[in-house]
Amino acid sequence: DGGITQSPKYLFRKEGQNVTLSCEQNLNHDAMYWYRQDPGQGLRLIYYSQIVNDFQKGDIAEGYSVSREKKESFPLTVTSAQKNPTAFYLCASSSPAGGVPKSYNEQFFGPGTRLTVL
Amino acid sequence: GEDVEQSLFLSVREGDSSVINCTYTDSSSTYLYWYKQEPGAGLQLLTYIFSNMDMKQDQRLTVLLNKKDKHLSLRIADTQTGDSAIYFCAESQGGSYIPTFGRGTSLIVHP
Repeated sequence: DGGITQSPKYLFRKEGQNVTLSCEQNLNHDAMYWYRQDPGQGLRLIYYSQIVNDFQKGDIAEGYSVSREKKESFPLTVTSAQKNPTAFYLCASSSPAGGVPKSYNEQFFGPGTRLTVL
Repeated sequence: GEDVEQSLFLSVREGDSSVINCTYTDSSSTYLYWYKQEPGAGLQLLTYIFSNMDMKQDQRLTVLLNKKDKHLSLRIADTQTGDSAIYFCAESQGGSYIPTFGRGTSLIVHP
């Protein structure tokens, strides 16, 4: 079945450690996104990538890093520089990406990873 | 201020209709979306409406768009306990633009 997966579902880390969250999709989508969700704050965009080997900062990129070496994968690293990393992290993908928009841009979301920093 | 605003909570009785409201500020918004998030899960697209439409109906869901007032609403008829979730309003200028999400409205359905 086509879809988008995130692992692990729950992650615990000690303060000061870097941690990498996995996101994989087999939908053949060009664009992928990382959001952070905090209670009552909705979704905030961390990073996005519209094509392999290219990515852009979102609204809250400080303390995070990403890579896009393969179309299917868009891992997010939460570094020790992120002051308040405990949150629910959502990955999404969509198509089309770039060019003249022809239709609505439905985003397909993964199940999320809940990160708790102790 | 926020680009997309929603109230945070709505409580309804099972069987009643629910109306979730959303306002947006970007007059160039082309597509407006409603997403549903069940507890501990990702978001799923429920429906969307193109800006040249006033209304869209899909089974129990009715979307109304007032472009002049930049107001969008989602009506759920015969609300069930399974409809309890967070509903997000989002807007984008087109298919290649990243949607801007509201904070989400928590819908609580009680017997």
